[in-house]
Amino acid sequence: KNQVEQSPQSLIILEGKNCTLQCNYTVSPFSNLRWYKQDTGRGPVSLTIMTFSENTKSNGRYTATLDADTKQSSLHITASQLSDSASYICVVTRNNAGNMLTFGGGTRLMVKP
Amino acid sequence: SQTIHQWPATLVQPVGSPLSLECTVEGTSNPNLYWYRQAAGRGLQLLFYSVGIGQISSEVPQNLSASRPQDRQFILSSKKLLLSDSGFYLCAWSWGLSGNTIYFGEGSWLTVV
Repeated sequence: KNQVEQSPQSLIILEGKNCTLQCNYTVSPFSNLRWYKQDTGRGPVSLTIMTFSENTKSNGRYTATLDADTKQSSLHITASQLSDSASYICVVTRNNAGNMLTFGGGTRLMVKP
Repeated sequence: SQTIHQWPATLVQPVGSPLSLECTVEGTSNPNLYWYRQAAGRGLQLLFYSVGIGQISSEVPQNLSASRPQDRQFILSSKKLLLSDSGFYLCAWSWGLSGNTIYFGEGSWLTVV
């Protein structure tokens, strides 16, 4: 069964601290993995996209890693800011299914001053 | 540049009433178009996708339908809303196949009462 599991479900950190969000998937065959940021009541915005051969990709203070062997990905946020408070969604695409995406349930991050 | 716009942003509808959510994409031609639903605290679920005018694929059986009367217009409809139709609906677009990023609209909050 094609699934994407994210952990933790929610996380509270202090401004300026770092944090790491996890994503495990069983989607096969694998095409790519995306991390999206979704502010409350808004549409998700793409942060990174990684294919099978990519191990890490950065976008400003966001760094995503991918281990295609263990089917795990992480999103590391450095020096968190209040504006980082949002839900972070891991999305995996199957290689033989057009644009069929499997979404994780998201991690809700709250950054406190 | 490309933009995606969906409306209305919020609506409250009684059970049994009809629904029409509209989505338009500007700045591109022949995009893939999608409707997703996000129930409270849950991940995104693909409802419909379209690879061209008049071509609609449904991912889950439901009380909703979709239409694509023009290249860059995607409409989500229902003849009679159910309480379970409440949720956050997102329109999205992409170019071509699974390697490309999906861009989401701002979303529409639907509350069925």
